[in-house]
Amino acid sequence: SQQGEEDPQALSIQEGENATMNCSYKTSINNLQWYRQNSGRGLVHLILIRSNEREKHSGRLRVTLDTSKKSSSLLITASRAADTASYFCAPESGSQGNLIFGKGTKLSVKP
Amino acid sequence: DVKVTQSSRYLVKRTGEKVFLECVQDMDHENMFWYRQDPGLGLRLIYFSYDVKMKEKGDIPEGYSVSREKKERFSLILESASTNQTSMYLCATPGAGGSYGYTFGSGTRLTVV
Repeated sequence: SQQGEEDPQALSIQEGENATMNCSYKTSINNLQWYRQNSGRGLVHLILIRSNEREKHSGRLRVTLDTSKKSSSLLITASRAADTASYFCAPESGSQGNLIFGKGTKLSVKP
Repeated sequence: DVKVTQSSRYLVKRTGEKVFLECVQDMDHENMFWYRQDPGLGLRLIYFSYDVKMKEKGDIPEGYSVSREKKERFSLILESASTNQTSMYLCATPGAGGSYGYTFGSGTRLTVV
């Protein structure tokens, strides 16, 4: 299993702006997943992108995957104060399907 | 939707106590995972299980054990709690496949004093 590494570690924006978070990993993957965590709570699955996909949308979320660069990005458009949370990427590789999480990006959206 | 229930949101235990953290999922999934989360360290995998009575060590198994007697229940055991095991503990199970990802419990914040 391998760990995703998110960048930046922290991001502060105004409501209405777009937020972009990046993730890098080291080896080939089956898929890559993004999760959100509100303070002191469990993680919530946002979106899964398979290794043969390049882009995926879900509401205000847009995820891209570049397997040649071993990187992914999560874009939140028209951010809201309620988007304030930590965001984690988790690459899934191998046959066991374990997810190893990075340290996350802490997003703060100011009203 | 899958539901993952962790029995306690907050626990305070004394050093040396044996501590049981319980996790129950309602979808008959085979795989279940225990993570701990600490500031600056992210989530780290402690143990996981692929089926009843099966267990595998994750990245930081020392000081922990697990029990999986029934498919729906995966217990994390701190044999002799220590202050460095003060942490947030998260249980998870993968979804039914496709694009569902993992479902996490709400977490147990354990303080060892």
